[in-house]
Amino acid sequence: QVQLVESGGGVVQPGRSLRLSCAASGFSFSDHSMHWVRQAPGKGLEWVAVIWYDGTNEHYVDSVRGRFTISRDNSKKTLDLQLNSLRAEDTALYYCARDSNDQGDAFDLWGQGTMVTVSS
Amino acid sequence: SYELTQPPSVSVSPGQTARITCSGDALPKQYVYWYQQKRGQAPLMIIYKDIERPSGIPERFSGSSSGTTVTLTISGVQAEDEADYYCQSGDRSASYVRVFGGGTKLTVL
Repeated sequence: QVQLVESGGGVVQPGRSLRLSCAASGFSFSDHSMHWVRQAPGKGLEWVAVIWYDGTNEHYVDSVRGRFTISRDNSKKTLDLQLNSLRAEDTALYYCARDSNDQGDAFDLWGQGTMVTVSS
Repeated sequence: SYELTQPPSVSVSPGQTARITCSGDALPKQYVYWYQQKRGQAPLMIIYKDIERPSGIPERFSGSSSGTTVTLTISGVQAEDEADYYCQSGDRSASYVRVFGGGTKLTVL
């Protein structure tokens, strides 16, 4: 079954860290760049980060650059997001999403998300 | 940073046509992608490269483009189409940096 399954979310205090994971199955993970997209409660979608299919390049939205790190393990078919120095405004549902290889710059597969709540 | 602008809400009666716009000054050079997000669900891509429809998406969903504005059209709206709709594109200088519009809530009256 082609799917993405996120895990690792939870409640964390401001300034602390959290590591999110996304397990891929049913497709050739190493052929796709991968993204994290987040959605604050009641708000819209916000792109967070991308990592190249081979892990050689990564990019971040300005608001998380220097605090978050995206990584992947193609042998395990997993995508991670290390969240450091968390702030209240990082509270959101975090989705991992697959970059399409034949539909332009689309996200053609999404997980169900993992919730991160930053609160004291 | 680059922005895509959508109307916050659109309301139509069942069977009517809904049009949701997405505006951005780089859109003449960048494709737009549309996602449908129903309550409590992950987004689902419904239109790619401005006008293309993935397999499995009903024909009543279509896209068009004109200059700096791209439009998602839903013909013969059904109650099940009530959802949030987001447009997405690549940053004008680096397409791997993705940008979403603010989203449009479609209400079926």
